[in-house]
Amino acid sequence: AQKVTQAQTEISVVEKEDVTLDCVYETRDTTYYLFWYKQPPSGELVFLIRRNSFDEQNEISGRYSWNFQKSTSSFNFTITASQVVDSAVYFCALSEAGGAGSYQLTFGKGTKLSVIP
Amino acid sequence: DVKVTQSSRYLVKRTGEKVFLECVQDMDHENMFWYRQDPGLGLRLIYFSYDVKMKEKGDIPEGYSVSREKKERFSLILESASTNQTSMYLCASSPPMGGVPSGANVLTFGAGSRLTVL
Repeated sequence: AQKVTQAQTEISVVEKEDVTLDCVYETRDTTYYLFWYKQPPSGELVFLIRRNSFDEQNEISGRYSWNFQKSTSSFNFTITASQVVDSAVYFCALSEAGGAGSYQLTFGKGTKLSVIP
Repeated sequence: DVKVTQSSRYLVKRTGEKVFLECVQDMDHENMFWYRQDPGLGLRLIYFSYDVKMKEKGDIPEGYSVSREKKERFSLILESASTNQTSMYLCASSPPMGGVPSGANVLTFGAGSRLTVL
């Protein structure tokens, strides 16, 4: 069974600090997809990134970057120079590519990030 | 701008009442989902549907049913609400990706419906 662990329940940082949100996953499939979603206080989850298991290149998008390491089954998310607007709950999620569970995303329990001005 | 709209942001119901949570998407998506979000538990899948009149159980279907009579609308039904169904309910949709495994689908979420059962 697939599993996603976000060990950090809550993190607080001061504005402009860098912060890394950890995500560790478990799956028996060799083909799978990893995601990060952001849930701001308004409540609507917003897609941030998708990665497939064959693409281990790190990705950078503005102040956001993602570090995918299959060797440690981790898909960590770093925010550089954090801003108050980054305050949200962040979810890491895993989906296996096919078969009976292919429609299902397994979410981690989320990490609540608070950026203090 | 693509949207998933949940009809009610906040509802308060009494134990034993029948509750309907409505979700409509305007993106012509085939797949629709209902999740439940609880503190410390993250998001858990209740039901999903990959076509009109089709439905599949998720991880926690007990106490819930769903209806999908039209492609754009996916309803979650609590036949007899109980206090342990007090929660945030999130609807989402996704398109098929033609040739790409459905596990790669990106979900578009609604803003959520916060249900309190007294």
